[in-house]
Amino acid sequence: DTGVSQDPRHKITKRGQNVTFRCDPISEHNRLYWYRQTLGQGPEFLTYFQNEAQLEKSRLLSDRFSAERPKGSFSTLEIQRTEQGDSAMYLCASSLRLPGANVLTFGAGSRLTVL
Amino acid sequence: DQQVKQNSPSLSVQEGRISILNCDYTNSMFDYFLWYKKYPAEGPTFLISISSIKDKNEDGRFTVFLNKSAKHLSLHIVPSQPGDSAVYFCAASAGYGGSQGNLIFGKGTKLSVKP
Repeated sequence: DTGVSQDPRHKITKRGQNVTFRCDPISEHNRLYWYRQTLGQGPEFLTYFQNEAQLEKSRLLSDRFSAERPKGSFSTLEIQRTEQGDSAMYLCASSLRLPGANVLTFGAGSRLTVL
Repeated sequence: DQQVKQNSPSLSVQEGRISILNCDYTNSMFDYFLWYKKYPAEGPTFLISISSIKDKNEDGRFTVFLNKSAKHLSLHIVPSQPGDSAVYFCAASAGYGGSQGNLIFGKGTKLSVKP
């Protein structure tokens, strides 16, 4: 297993365009998370899935953001009508839900620049 | 309101000496704590964790201490090596050892280990 894969690694777009990021988690992991990280900040939680069910969404996830995990495997994060404030690193992580422990394994991230 | 706080943005230590990174939290429901290390252009990598039922966990050169009454944890690295130079994030979660949901991260501390 190659770990958590994210694509693309870098995306430059103009304000108002739509962008989509893809995440392929570790195959045996049933949980998948999306985080956003901006300069000087720690990762900020956006949403997570257990299998195909989206169990929690942060207030940071405005209605321009949508995440899916249709078959409980890979996930996509779409941002519609991008704004300059959306510029950030978007991190995907996965975990195997176990009692007493929840260690997230992160991908390398997708960096978004909105011009 | 920031629930996980890392008040030192940076720390510089000499190779071979001890590095101590600190983290405070405000949410008394947190019961599982983790430290992640992040190199530039990579995602955060899990380092060590501790459950609230313990006050110390050790893994090689890395030891995490938890003081629940003070809502404080610390990561000790001894001896420090130049390869330890990275940004270290403290993270916490709630709900039966953190298995119920997402991780809340601090802003990170940049550690520089000088040869």
